[in-house]
Amino acid sequence: DTAVSQTPKYLVTQMGNDKSIKCEQNLGHDTMYWYKQDSKKFLKIMFSYNNKELIINETVPNRFSPKSPDKAHLNLHINSLELGDSAVYFCASSQAGVYGYTFGSGTRLTVV
Amino acid sequence: AQTVTQSQPEMSVQEAETVTLSCTYDTSESDYYLFWYKQPPSRQMILVIRQEAYKQQNATENRFSVNFQKAAKSFSLKISDSQLGDAAMYFCAYRSPRGGGSEKLVFGKGTKLTVNP
Repeated sequence: DTAVSQTPKYLVTQMGNDKSIKCEQNLGHDTMYWYKQDSKKFLKIMFSYNNKELIINETVPNRFSPKSPDKAHLNLHINSLELGDSAVYFCASSQAGVYGYTFGSGTRLTVV
Repeated sequence: AQTVTQSQPEMSVQEAETVTLSCTYDTSESDYYLFWYKQPPSRQMILVIRQEAYKQQNATENRFSVNFQKAAKSFSLKISDSQLGDAAMYFCAYRSPRGGGSEKLVFGKGTKLTVNP
């Protein structure tokens, strides 16, 4: 069983379209995150949710809207996609303490 | 705000040799956690090793060990008996001990490790 699963793994879409990425974790963790990895491999947090509540909202365009229907799921919806949105998006979950994050396998988004 | 610096964009090592990847960080907190993650070409993020700041003993996991110098804010990763499968991007990361979702993982820019046969 995959601990943190993201779908889709690859997403190719045209500028201006709206797309969603889904994430589910079966670890019982309270907190879930979205990270963006740019073309230079730099990982930066976008959002965190704790028990369905938005906690961290970094400087991210309003076109990005996370939604957490329950603590096991965190989705990312992106409106009006731009070329600069092309990146790998990682979902992750964690529990408090020394434990690191458990990451999903990432979604490579390519906007053409 | 916490920052993590990895000063070596790329490193290479011969198979079976030892290599050390450097990481420094900046924080005003006294308690925190540090991690090394590995990202192979498959892009999966894999936790390699973790260290709690209040523990003086350096963490080890099989061929992987760290040299944690709290006063110097340094957290280097040593890979012994390097194997071809160790080739990957390695990320150093910092995490605050606060809970409730506010404890984001802050990453360095990564070091690309090549292992030569």
